[in-house]
Parts: sequence; structure tokens; C-alpha cells
Amino acid sequence: GAVVSQHPSRVICKSGTSVKIECRSLDFQATTMFWYRQFPKQSLMLMATSNEGSKATYEQGVEKDKFLINHASLTLSTLTVTSAHPEDSSFYICSARDRASLRGYTFGSGTRLTVV
Amino acid sequence: AQTVTQSQPEMSVQEAETVTLSCTYDTSESDYYLFWYKQPPSRQMILVIRQEAYKQQNATENRFSVNFQKAAKSFSLKISDSQLGDAAMYFCAYRSRTSGSRLTFGEGTQLTVNP
Repeated sequence: GAVVSQHPSRVICKSGTSVKIECRSLDFQATTMFWYRQFPKQSLMLMATSNEGSKATYEQGVEKDKFLINHASLTLSTLTVTSAHPEDSSFYICSARDRASLRGYTFGSGTRLTVV
Repeated sequence: AQTVTQSQPEMSVQEAETVTLSCTYDTSESDYYLFWYKQPPSRQMILVIRQEAYKQQNATENRFSVNFQKAAKSFSLKISDSQLGDAAMYFCAYRSRTSGSRLTFGEGTQLTVNP
């Protein structure tokens, strides 16, 4: 079945540094990638939607310059948290739209970001 | 904008028993998809079941079935013969068929399965 590989699974970084999270669709073309943020015991909050080759569409309240999304190919999308601060600590999940699959959406396994 | 509401933050069930998780949604659209996703402690999101709004027949997947009431905008999930591995956070989600492909999630229901 469709698989989205998300790396790293856990990362700890110092305040002020940048962190890149990668999501790769392994056996299908991800024309659309969704990036979510999830706080403990809460729902998934959509941060942005990206389509291959075009700029990401950010949800209201999400800082574009802080959360840089790149979707340069049909199999790779990245989220870079720039100048990270402790309040950016969270669980980040990507989800790829797989039009060829009846299931539609394939989720990555998530990245736990801790900013110290 | 569409909204999805799960009014049960927590539910518990005895192993082998049946439990129903509730979900209501608000939309002005007539054509859409509804989903139930499971998020176990590993945090990996897993699709449980999917329903297309134009289909009157309720979707079923083995021990999982839904009660889709379109007029009432209700989409509950029934888990039969509950197993310990069913313990997870369950999210109801909505997707428009005509205006974009984003999923709108409910708040989630934490299901505990007691042995």
C-alpha cells in the first residue's frame, strides 16, 4: 500500500536554530501534501497545503516565514521550522493525497519536535 | 465553513463488547466524504472507514461499521467485538468533494478497551 516516510521521528534543537522535516511518498505521486500540527490529546490542526511546483497555502494564523514548506517534486515535501522557539515544540504530521488510491490520504508517522 | 464535532472526549468499552462513537458535522454541501481515523499510541494515523455522502448504504469494514444519517448530519462509528488493539484516539473527518481536498477533523474521542 501507499507509504509516506517522515523523518526525523524525533528531534531536539536549541532555541534559535532551524529544523527541517521531510516527507517522502515511497510508491506514489503526492500531488498535494498537507502539514499538520498536533498538541497532546488534541486534534490535528492544518498548517498548510502544498501542491507540487507551487507555493504553499497557509492557514490563517500560521506564519509563512517561520514554517517554510517546499514541495519541489511529486515525492518529496519538506517543512522547515525557522528560528525555533520552545512554543514551537509539538508533533508535526504530513499527509499526502494519493489520487490513485481509494484510501485517498496517506499519513506520515509524525515528528516530535522539542525546542530547548 | 465545515465543522466536525465529536462530543465524547473519552469512551471506554469492555473487551468483546460493542461501542459507538458519535460524530456530527455541519455543511451546506450535498456531496462529500466522511472518514474515521484511528491514532494509536504510536501516533500513526490509520484510516478505519470511509463513507461517500451520495451512497445511502452504510460503510462496513469487518468489525467497524458506520451509521450515516445525512439529514441529521450524523456519522457514528460502531466497533463490534472490541479488542485491546482498538484502544486509540479516534477522529472523525470531513472532506468536500467539490471545494478542495483538505480534511476537517473533529476533536477526537479517546477509546479505552478494558480487559
